[in-house]
Amino acid sequence: GEDVEQSLFLSVREGDSSVINCTYTDSSSTYLYWYKQEPGAGLQLLTYIFSNMDMKQDQRLTVLLNKKDKHLSLRIADTQTGDSAIYFCGRGGSASKIIFGSGTRLSIRP
Amino acid sequence: NAGVMQNPRHLVRRRGQEARLRCSPMKGHSHVYWYRQLPEEGLKFMVYLQKENIIDESGMPKERFSAEFPKEGPSILRIQQVVRGDSAAYFCASSTVDRDSPLHFGNGTRLTVT
Repeated sequence: GEDVEQSLFLSVREGDSSVINCTYTDSSSTYLYWYKQEPGAGLQLLTYIFSNMDMKQDQRLTVLLNKKDKHLSLRIADTQTGDSAIYFCGRGGSASKIIFGSGTRLSIRP
Repeated sequence: NAGVMQNPRHLVRRRGQEARLRCSPMKGHSHVYWYRQLPEEGLKFMVYLQKENIIDESGMPKERFSAEFPKEGPSILRIQQVVRGDSAAYFCASSTVDRDSPLHFGNGTRLTVT
């Protein structure tokens, strides 16, 4: 079933950090993913984390995983206007498919 | 290395017609997934295929929808007798054989049913 949840909207000021949160209920997933979707485009893989890791950092992106609470977050440092997009959290499901949340629309204020 | 290629980018069909959506996976990828995104909604899994096999079709509507991934050529998502509610963006993704390998998405086909 659909067991990945995200808040729908987030607004941040340019230059601040953005934190996008995600919760899931199925703890059997091996990997958890963050994808970015810009208007009219497909999903672009941003990063993913193995379920036995707590944190992964890649340039301006930091992923934190709290496996006990089944909580995943994506932090974008120094948010820029080009970061405006919809961000999807996903968990690996059975038969290798990814189950996605509804997406968080990130908007940037000047 | 070309990414996942979907065509057409936009498809307009009248109610009752058939829609055929094509997807060519990335080079070296043998797994194909189809997702549907309704307006202002997230992505819903439809079907997962390997060459000549449907592995998981738990998200496919029971009627009018079918998918194939033949030995040669692209994967096809076919919608018969389209209705207005089928209007959506349909995304294809592909991956390698490695379990839990990330999915790489195409830019989607936007289907409009008039």
